[in-house]
Amino acid sequence: AQSVAQPEDQVNVAEGNPLTVKCTYSVSGNPYLFWYVQYPNRGLQFLLKYITGDNLVKGSYGFEAEFNKSQTSFHLKKPSALVSDSALYFCAVSRFGGAGSYQLTFGKGTKLSVIP
Amino acid sequence: GAVVSQHPSWVICKSGTSVKIECRSLDFQATTMFWYRQFPKQSLMLMATSNEGSKATYEQGVEKDKFLINHASLTLSTLTVTSAHPEDSSFYICSAREQRTPSYEQYFGPGTRLTVT
Repeated sequence: AQSVAQPEDQVNVAEGNPLTVKCTYSVSGNPYLFWYVQYPNRGLQFLLKYITGDNLVKGSYGFEAEFNKSQTSFHLKKPSALVSDSALYFCAVSRFGGAGSYQLTFGKGTKLSVIP
Repeated sequence: GAVVSQHPSWVICKSGTSVKIECRSLDFQATTMFWYRQFPKQSLMLMATSNEGSKATYEQGVEKDKFLINHASLTLSTLTVTSAHPEDSSFYICSAREQRTPSYEQYFGPGTRLTVT
């Protein structure tokens, strides 16, 4: 079984400061890791993914994430936070599921609040 | 590209009635579609996986007779909540995976808010 842990329910950061949203995972085999963002009453928007290759992955809206195999982590980062970044962030890991599909297992989510 | 729509965006129905939610991939063919349920301030829980032309695979604890899923084409999947009850009130989100492989990414719809009174 695979799992994702987001240890922080909420992260507060001042506008302009760097932000980090933490994620650790547990999976057998090679992990396929994702970050999604959700705004109120909306679906999920894809930010970035790690499949293979460079450990530092760059994604949408200036976000990046670093894959660390030894620490089984995939923390989301941004050098300078914007108020508009305030949202709910989900880390997810993909697994090979039934009928040949790749299914996502999500962390519980981290609410990011960027303070003006 | 890779846009997924859901209809309706919100629906209110009376207890005992059935509600159908549509999920469409607008600009790509989706071999696989997923249905999730999200309770307030909680994560997404996978309900079922559907592949075009075959029966859906339901996650443990999800009643297949209550949540009917049909994936009749490469661009459309439907979720029907039968005999809805207030505890079925939730935010339902679908996602779709492109036909071409390898493709590990899922594209999510905007969600449907279901309220059962």
